Amino acid sequence: SQQGEEDPQALSIQEGENATMNCSYKTSINNLQWYRQNSGRGLVHLILIRSNEREKHSGRLRVTLDTSKKSSSLLITASRAADTASYFCATDGDSGAGSYQLTFGKGTKLSVIP
Amino acid sequence: DTAVSQTPKYLVTQMGNDKSIKCEQNLGHDTMYWYKQDSKKFLKIMFSYNNKELIINETVPNRFSPKSPDKAHLNLHINSLELGDSAVYFCASSQGTYQPQHFGDGTRLSIL
Repeated sequence: SQQGEEDPQALSIQEGENATMNCSYKTSINNLQWYRQNSGRGLVHLILIRSNEREKHSGRLRVTLDTSKKSSSLLITASRAADTASYFCATDGDSGAGSYQLTFGKGTKLSVIP
Repeated sequence: DTAVSQTPKYLVTQMGNDKSIKCEQNLGHDTMYWYKQDSKKFLKIMFSYNNKELIINETVPNRFSPKSPDKAHLNLHINSLELGDSAVYFCASSQGTYQPQHFGDGTRLSIL
């Protein structure tokens, strides 16, 4: 399995601070994605970074990818209370039968205190 | 308009019953998925369905069967429900492989 593992499992910060979450995975990938899940809701796609990219930005989000270390990080700058959610990394890979499956990590639960 | 919609949102039923969960996407995507999220928030792929090709995760019991009447719908039928089936089930869709997935808001299944 090339399941991603997020670190830390839980993170609590004050509004305005930056939040950094890490993801490690086991095998080679085509791309890595980050998703957010608010309580009681479905996952929402945040950003996709390809295996040949090292860094990507989207608004207050910054994602890095180090394929040599098989790890990625998600940085949320100037956090807001609305950023409170669980964040998941997801890796892809061909099972060998032409199928496409996303494998999700266990998530980081972020709490932003107003 | 909701992009990926699932019904029902909550499903409470007894062990041994058969139930279905419906999923519809209005994004024109060609690939749909079913996931199971357990109480620890671990999300696991159950099925993916692309151009009438069904890919099954081998760990999924054959009591679970996806049914796709057309490209916009992928329903999940579960036979002989067991206590361990209690979870939140998510439908998702994407346009092609290796693309971001759009999720529904889930169906919370509780087995009594």
